[in-house]
Amino acid sequence: DAGVIQSPRHEVTEMGQEVTLRCKPISGHNSLFWYRQTMMRGLELLIYFNNNVPIDDSGMPEDRFSAKMPNASFSTLKIQPSEPRDSAVYFCASSAKVDQPQHFGDGTRLSIL
Amino acid sequence: LAKTTQPISMDSYEGQEVNITCSHNNIATNDYITWYQQFPSQGPRFIIQGYKTKVTNEVASLFIPADRKSSTLSLPRVSLSDTAVYYCLVNRPGAGSYQLTFGKGTKLSVIP
Repeated sequence: DAGVIQSPRHEVTEMGQEVTLRCKPISGHNSLFWYRQTMMRGLELLIYFNNNVPIDDSGMPEDRFSAKMPNASFSTLKIQPSEPRDSAVYFCASSAKVDQPQHFGDGTRLSIL
Repeated sequence: LAKTTQPISMDSYEGQEVNITCSHNNIATNDYITWYQQFPSQGPRFIIQGYKTKVTNEVASLFIPADRKSSTLSLPRVSLSDTAVYYCLVNRPGAGSYQLTFGKGTKLSVIP
């Protein structure tokens, strides 16, 4: 079991640039979650998918953020244009069912200069 | 969704039992409680989950009183490697939707 795989592990870019974060969930898991973690706000749920369909995106901060899940083995979180306040660690998690324990990736540490 | 309240930090010596209490006063009938552990530079890791009374696994125990307005995570005989942030969550399943929220967590420091 490879676990949830996120890429890149670290990303440093200038404000205004487009940022794409990637996630490969555990095979067979039907639910996928995107989180953002900062010191000030802690761990926040941004959006989650069930069977590749976005169910709740109420945590997505602005229209600059978008997430897709084109198939059961891949999801992206995109920020366009990026801003310094988007700097955070972004985690992806998956679970067998939406209310089952989640398995988290190691996160992407994003720094927007 | 039920808001959770936990102590910001706790210290403990190695070998002691540690109890971390979480308050969730407005927990609903169908809500259940889940605890996660997070080490630096890693994602959270599931520890234990329960609905009422007591749940025990190889890592921890979870105590939930009858009114379910709080829960206590118990870690037996902690070691230095248990130093981490512990999060209490209230999960609310629903028809076609699912709500959960992480609190700020409790930073546990285990001292030699």
